[in-house]
Amino acid sequence: QKEVEQDPGPLSVPEGAIVSLNCTYSNSAFQYFMWYRQYSRKGPELLMYTYSSGNKEDGRFTAQVDKSSKYISLFIRDSQPSDSATYLCAMKWKPLGGGADGLTFGKGTHLIIQP
Amino acid sequence: NAGVTQTPKFQVLKTGQSMTLQCAQDMNHEYMSWYRQDPGMGLRLIHYSVGAGITDQGEVPNGYNVSRSTTEDFPLRLLSAAPSQTSVYFCASSQGGGLQETQYFGPGTRLLVL
Repeated sequence: QKEVEQDPGPLSVPEGAIVSLNCTYSNSAFQYFMWYRQYSRKGPELLMYTYSSGNKEDGRFTAQVDKSSKYISLFIRDSQPSDSATYLCAMKWKPLGGGADGLTFGKGTHLIIQP
Repeated sequence: NAGVTQTPKFQVLKTGQSMTLQCAQDMNHEYMSWYRQDPGMGLRLIHYSVGAGITDQGEVPNGYNVSRSTTEDFPLRLLSAAPSQTSVYFCASSQGGGLQETQYFGPGTRLLVL
Protein backbone atom coordinates (compact mmCIF):
# COMPACT_ATOMS: atom_id res chain seq x y z
CA GLN A 1 0.00 0.00 0.00
CA LYS A 2 1.39 3.36 -1.04
CA GLU A 3 0.38 5.69 1.77
CA VAL A 4 -0.70 9.29 1.39
CA GLU A 5 -1.32 11.54 4.38
CA GLN A 6 -3.83 14.37 4.23
CA ASP A 7 -5.36 16.37 7.09
CA PRO A 8 -9.15 15.86 6.97
CA GLY A 9 -9.95 19.27 8.45
CA PRO A 10 -12.38 20.93 8.43
CA LEU A 11 -10.42 23.98 7.36
CA SER A 12 -12.49 27.15 7.68
CA VAL A 13 -11.26 30.48 6.23
CA PRO A 14 -12.89 33.81 5.38
CA GLU A 15 -13.75 34.71 1.81
CA GLY A 16 -10.82 36.22 -0.06
CA ALA A 17 -8.16 34.43 1.97
CA ILE A 18 -5.37 32.33 0.47
CA VAL A 19 -5.93 28.66 1.17
CA SER A 20 -3.15 26.09 1.44
CA LEU A 21 -3.98 22.39 1.23
CA ASN A 22 -1.26 19.78 1.67
CA CYS A 23 -0.42 16.10 1.31
CA THR A 24 2.65 14.15 2.23
CA TYR A 25 3.68 10.77 0.93
CA SER A 26 6.28 8.22 1.86
CA ASN A 27 7.08 6.34 -1.34
CA SER A 28 9.21 7.71 -4.16
CA ALA A 29 7.38 5.43 -6.63
CA PHE A 30 4.70 8.10 -6.98
CA GLN A 31 5.25 9.86 -10.29
CA TYR A 32 2.10 11.82 -11.08
CA PHE A 33 0.26 14.11 -8.72
CA MET A 34 -3.31 15.31 -8.90
CA TRP A 35 -5.87 17.32 -6.99
CA TYR A 36 -9.56 16.46 -7.16
CA ARG A 37 -12.42 18.61 -5.89
CA GLN A 38 -15.54 16.92 -4.54
CA TYR A 39 -18.69 18.84 -3.75
CA SER A 40 -21.12 17.39 -1.23
CA ARG A 41 -22.99 14.37 -2.61
CA LYS A 42 -21.13 14.54 -5.94
CA GLY A 43 -18.33 12.59 -7.56
CA PRO A 44 -14.73 13.86 -7.52
CA GLU A 45 -13.63 16.00 -10.46
CA LEU A 46 -10.06 16.57 -11.55
CA LEU A 47 -8.83 20.04 -10.71
CA MET A 48 -5.12 19.99 -11.50
CA TYR A 49 -2.32 17.57 -12.26
CA THR A 50 1.46 17.71 -12.44
CA TYR A 51 4.34 15.28 -12.69
CA SER A 52 7.38 17.39 -11.97
CA SER A 53 8.67 19.32 -9.02
CA GLY A 54 7.79 22.99 -9.02
CA ASN A 55 4.66 25.04 -9.47
CA LYS A 56 1.81 24.82 -11.94
CA GLU A 57 -0.75 27.60 -12.11
CA ASP A 58 -4.31 27.61 -13.44
CA GLY A 59 -6.30 30.73 -12.68
CA ARG A 60 -6.70 31.07 -8.92
CA PHE A 61 -5.22 27.61 -8.32
CA THR A 62 -1.54 26.68 -7.97
CA ALA A 63 -0.29 23.12 -7.55
CA GLN A 64 3.14 22.69 -6.02
CA VAL A 65 5.21 19.52 -5.85
CA ASP A 66 8.40 19.00 -3.86
CA LYS A 67 9.62 15.49 -4.64
CA SER A 68 12.69 15.79 -2.42
CA SER A 69 10.46 16.40 0.61
CA LYS A 70 7.63 14.15 -0.69
CA TYR A 71 5.18 16.99 -0.21
CA ILE A 72 2.50 18.45 -2.48
CA SER A 73 0.32 21.52 -2.02
CA LEU A 74 -2.66 23.21 -3.58
CA PHE A 75 -3.02 26.96 -3.13
CA ILE A 76 -6.28 28.79 -3.78
CA ARG A 77 -6.06 32.57 -4.13
CA ASP A 78 -9.01 34.93 -3.56
CA SER A 79 -11.06 32.07 -2.16
CA GLN A 80 -14.79 32.09 -2.83
CA PRO A 81 -17.72 30.40 -1.03
CA SER A 82 -18.12 28.26 -4.17
CA ASP A 83 -14.68 26.77 -3.39
CA SER A 84 -16.19 25.09 -0.33
CA ALA A 85 -15.74 21.38 -1.00
CA THR A 86 -13.56 18.42 -0.09
CA TYR A 87 -10.18 18.42 -1.84
CA LEU A 88 -8.54 15.07 -2.48
CA CYS A 89 -4.92 14.65 -3.43
CA ALA A 90 -4.13 11.61 -5.58
CA MET A 91 -0.91 10.02 -6.79
CA LYS A 92 -0.20 7.60 -9.60
CA TRP A 93 2.52 4.98 -9.65
CA LYS A 94 3.70 2.18 -11.95
CA PRO A 95 3.58 -1.33 -10.46
CA LEU A 96 6.92 -3.15 -10.67
CA GLY A 97 5.28 -6.29 -12.01
CA GLY A 98 3.41 -4.50 -14.78
CA GLY A 99 -0.34 -4.08 -15.13
CA ALA A 100 -2.44 -0.97 -14.82
CA ASP A 101 -0.90 2.04 -13.11
CA GLY A 102 -1.86 2.43 -9.48
CA LEU A 103 -3.80 5.38 -8.12
CA THR A 104 -3.78 6.23 -4.42
CA PHE A 105 -6.00 8.91 -2.91
CA GLY A 106 -5.57 10.94 0.21
CA LYS A 107 -8.54 10.98 2.57
CA GLY A 108 -9.50 14.52 1.58
CA THR A 109 -9.58 17.89 3.34
CA HIS A 110 -12.97 19.49 3.95
CA LEU A 111 -12.68 23.21 3.12
CA ILE A 112 -15.21 25.83 4.19
CA ILE A 113 -15.04 29.38 2.83
CA GLN A 114 -17.03 31.73 5.05
CA PRO A 115 -18.84 34.58 3.22
CA ASN B 1 -22.39 13.64 -23.74
CA ALA B 2 -23.69 12.30 -20.41
CA GLY B 3 -20.23 11.24 -19.18
CA VAL B 4 -20.36 8.59 -16.46
CA THR B 5 -23.81 7.69 -15.16
CA GLN B 6 -24.70 5.54 -12.17
CA THR B 7 -27.95 4.02 -10.99
CA PRO B 8 -29.52 3.90 -8.51
CA LYS B 9 -28.60 7.08 -6.61
CA PHE B 10 -29.61 5.57 -3.29
CA GLN B 11 -30.44 2.04 -2.16
CA VAL B 12 -31.34 0.36 1.12
CA LEU B 13 -30.70 -3.37 1.42
CA LYS B 14 -31.16 -5.96 4.11
CA THR B 15 -28.26 -8.16 5.13
CA GLY B 16 -27.95 -11.09 2.74
CA GLN B 17 -29.72 -9.45 -0.20
CA SER B 18 -27.99 -9.11 -3.54
CA MET B 19 -28.04 -6.23 -5.96
CA THR B 20 -26.28 -4.75 -8.95
CA LEU B 21 -24.99 -1.19 -9.14
CA GLN B 22 -25.06 0.05 -12.71
CA CYS B 23 -22.38 2.17 -14.37
CA ALA B 24 -22.29 3.39 -17.95
CA GLN B 25 -20.09 5.80 -19.89
CA ASP B 26 -20.53 7.28 -23.36
CA MET B 27 -16.95 8.48 -23.93
CA ASN B 28 -15.68 5.21 -25.45
CA HIS B 29 -13.23 4.83 -22.59
CA GLU B 30 -11.32 1.57 -22.25
CA TYR B 31 -10.53 1.83 -18.54
CA MET B 32 -13.30 1.65 -15.95
CA SER B 33 -13.15 1.19 -12.21
CA TRP B 34 -15.23 1.01 -9.06
CA TYR B 35 -14.34 2.74 -5.79
CA ARG B 36 -15.94 2.91 -2.41
CA GLN B 37 -15.68 5.99 -0.22
CA ASP B 38 -16.00 5.72 3.52
CA PRO B 39 -15.54 8.43 6.18
CA GLY B 40 -11.91 8.57 7.28
CA MET B 41 -10.86 6.01 4.66
CA GLY B 42 -10.79 7.93 1.42
CA LEU B 43 -11.44 6.32 -1.96
CA ARG B 44 -10.49 2.66 -2.23
CA LEU B 45 -10.39 0.67 -5.46
CA ILE B 46 -12.69 -2.38 -5.59
CA HIS B 47 -12.32 -3.70 -9.15
CA TYR B 48 -11.19 -2.33 -12.46
CA SER B 49 -11.31 -3.20 -16.14
CA VAL B 50 -8.84 -2.30 -18.90
CA GLY B 51 -11.28 -3.23 -21.67
CA ALA B 52 -14.27 -5.36 -22.59
CA GLY B 53 -13.85 -8.89 -21.25
CA ILE B 54 -10.94 -8.00 -18.93
CA THR B 55 -11.33 -7.30 -15.23
CA ASP B 56 -9.03 -7.38 -12.22
CA GLN B 57 -9.18 -6.91 -8.47
CA GLY B 58 -8.32 -3.74 -6.65
CA GLU B 59 -7.57 -3.11 -3.00
CA VAL B 60 -10.90 -4.25 -1.48
CA PRO B 61 -12.55 -6.80 -3.85
CA ASN B 62 -14.09 -9.22 -1.33
CA GLY B 63 -17.89 -9.46 -1.54
CA TYR B 64 -18.07 -7.85 -4.98
CA ASN B 65 -18.15 -9.19 -8.53
CA VAL B 66 -17.77 -7.38 -11.83
CA SER B 67 -18.00 -8.16 -15.51
CA ARG B 68 -17.37 -6.10 -18.64
CA SER B 69 -19.28 -7.39 -21.62
CA THR B 70 -19.32 -4.05 -23.46
CA THR B 71 -17.07 -0.98 -23.54
CA GLU B 72 -19.89 1.18 -22.17
CA ASP B 73 -21.09 -0.78 -19.13
CA PHE B 74 -19.36 -1.96 -15.97
CA PRO B 75 -21.84 -3.26 -13.36
CA LEU B 76 -20.84 -4.03 -9.78
CA ARG B 77 -22.62 -6.94 -8.06
CA LEU B 78 -23.00 -7.41 -4.35
CA LEU B 79 -23.56 -11.12 -3.86
CA SER B 80 -24.76 -11.12 -0.24
CA ALA B 81 -24.86 -7.65 1.27
CA ALA B 82 -23.30 -7.03 4.68
CA PRO B 83 -23.50 -3.92 6.91
CA SER B 84 -19.75 -3.40 6.26
CA GLN B 85 -20.65 -2.67 2.64
CA THR B 86 -22.60 0.45 3.64
CA SER B 87 -20.74 3.11 1.69
CA VAL B 88 -20.83 5.49 -1.24
CA TYR B 89 -19.81 3.80 -4.47
CA PHE B 90 -18.24 5.66 -7.36
CA CYS B 91 -17.65 4.43 -10.87
CA ALA B 92 -14.90 6.08 -12.92
CA SER B 93 -13.62 5.83 -16.48
CA SER B 94 -10.60 7.00 -18.45
CA GLN B 95 -9.29 6.54 -21.96
CA GLY B 96 -6.50 4.35 -20.61
CA GLY B 97 -4.90 3.38 -17.31
CA GLY B 98 -1.66 5.30 -17.81
CA LEU B 99 -0.12 7.99 -15.67
CA GLN B 100 -1.47 10.94 -17.63
CA GLU B 101 -4.99 9.65 -18.17
CA THR B 102 -7.73 11.68 -16.51
CA GLN B 103 -10.34 9.70 -14.60
CA TYR B 104 -13.93 10.89 -14.83
CA PHE B 105 -16.17 9.98 -11.92
CA GLY B 106 -19.89 9.32 -11.82
CA PRO B 107 -22.22 10.96 -9.26
CA GLY B 108 -22.15 7.97 -6.91
CA THR B 109 -24.55 5.45 -5.40
CA ARG B 110 -25.27 5.65 -1.68
CA LEU B 111 -25.83 2.18 -0.25
CA LEU B 112 -27.17 1.42 3.21
CA VAL B 113 -27.16 -2.19 4.38
CA LEU B 114 -29.29 -2.89 7.44
